[in-house]
Amino acid sequence: NAGVMQNPRHLVRRRGQEARLRCSPMKGHSHVYWYRQLPEEGLKFMVYLQKENIIDESGMPKERFSAEFPKEGPSILRIQQVVRGDSAAYFCASSPPAVNSGNTIYFGEGSWLTVV
Amino acid sequence: AQSVTQLGSHVSVSEGALVLLRCNYSSSVPPYLFWYVQYPNQGLQLLLKYTSAATLVKGINGFEAEFKKSETSFHLTKPSAHMSDAAEYFCAVSEGGKIIFGKGTRLHILP
Repeated sequence: NAGVMQNPRHLVRRRGQEARLRCSPMKGHSHVYWYRQLPEEGLKFMVYLQKENIIDESGMPKERFSAEFPKEGPSILRIQQVVRGDSAAYFCASSPPAVNSGNTIYFGEGSWLTVV
Repeated sequence: AQSVTQLGSHVSVSEGALVLLRCNYSSSVPPYLFWYVQYPNQGLQLLLKYTSAATLVKGINGFEAEFKKSETSFHLTKPSAHMSDAAEYFCAVSEGGKIIFGKGTRLHILP
């Protein structure tokens, strides 16, 4: 049973380019989460989605960042016009519904974005 | 809003010594609490979780954590540290369908 799959694992972009990070959840999981990790800052929640619906995007920067989880295919985190400060590790996680019931979220291996 | 606070961004223990990583939570309702471990350049792996079934929770790799409501704590312990335990550890709480993480504690194991 495959885990959460993220790709690419490493991505280098020049300032002003677009970055697209993809995440395929575990089989049977309907909810996807994106987190950003900067050195010494822990994991910051960005967005929580289910298929075709954004449930909570309170952690997403107001500009340049967007996320989707279409009916078919992986979830995508899109960063437009990247800047050096976007360099970070981006982690995707998935879960069955209702984390408030104690369901665990399972993480992918992460995508490391470097903006040069 | 619920949150967790991890005391100590870095903790060093000798191999074979007790590991104690501290976590305090703030929550107005009984929370669901988690400990995750992250090895370098990898994703997070669940160590254990508290879901109110028992206050002492046993996890993988010999770790356990005790939920203490009176102290609003959920500290992680392991009786005897091993070199392979060197990693970053995150305490987390569920809120509104998502999980909120503490800033992490990096555990160093001294030979």
